[in-house]
Amino acid sequence: DTGVSQNPRHKITKRGQNVTFRCDPISEHNRLYWYRQTLGQGPEFLTYFQNEAQLEKSRLLSDRFSAERPKGSFSTLEIQRTEQGDSAMYLCASSWGAGQTEAFFGQGTRLTVV
Amino acid sequence: DQQVKQNSPSLSVQEGRISILNCDYTNSMFDYFLWYKKYPAEGPTFLISISSIKDKNEDGRFTVFLNKSAKHLSLHIVPSQPGDSAVYFCAAGYYSGYALNFGKGTSLLVTP
Repeated sequence: DTGVSQNPRHKITKRGQNVTFRCDPISEHNRLYWYRQTLGQGPEFLTYFQNEAQLEKSRLLSDRFSAERPKGSFSTLEIQRTEQGDSAMYLCASSWGAGQTEAFFGQGTRLTVV
Repeated sequence: DQQVKQNSPSLSVQEGRISILNCDYTNSMFDYFLWYKKYPAEGPTFLISISSIKDKNEDGRFTVFLNKSAKHLSLHIVPSQPGDSAVYFCAAGYYSGYALNFGKGTSLLVTP
């Protein structure tokens, strides 16, 4: 296992288009997280899955953002009707266990909305 | 509302000396703290963590100190090496929780 994998690494899209990012966590990890990082800021928590259940989604930035984790394996993050303010690095992380343990991050997907 | 603050955007240290990175938090209920290191074009990499029941945790060259009364933690790197040059993020949360709150990061440059 090579760690958390995110695809694509870069995405350029026109304003108003929909985009979808994929995250493949470390295989034995039951927890999966999505974060967003903008320039000069630390990662900002968006949503969290335990297995296939999305246990926290209130911090998704708007109703244009949605995430899924079918069958508790890979996850997708979709942004509908993209806006220039959505330009950021989108990070996925995974971890194992019931309590907070160190999360392993992927390399991220850099989104540019033009 | 920034609950985790890293007030030094950058730090430069000579190779072999000690690097001290500082972090303050505002939420006294946080009970789990972590440091991540980030190289350009890579995701953050876990470095070291500490729970609120401890005031110190060591892992090789890296030591994290926690001062709960001051709501302050620090990361000490001894001795500093050029490969330590990266952005360091402090993060805080709840051990029974899931979301981590990150600071803005401190860019460390270790010069030969």
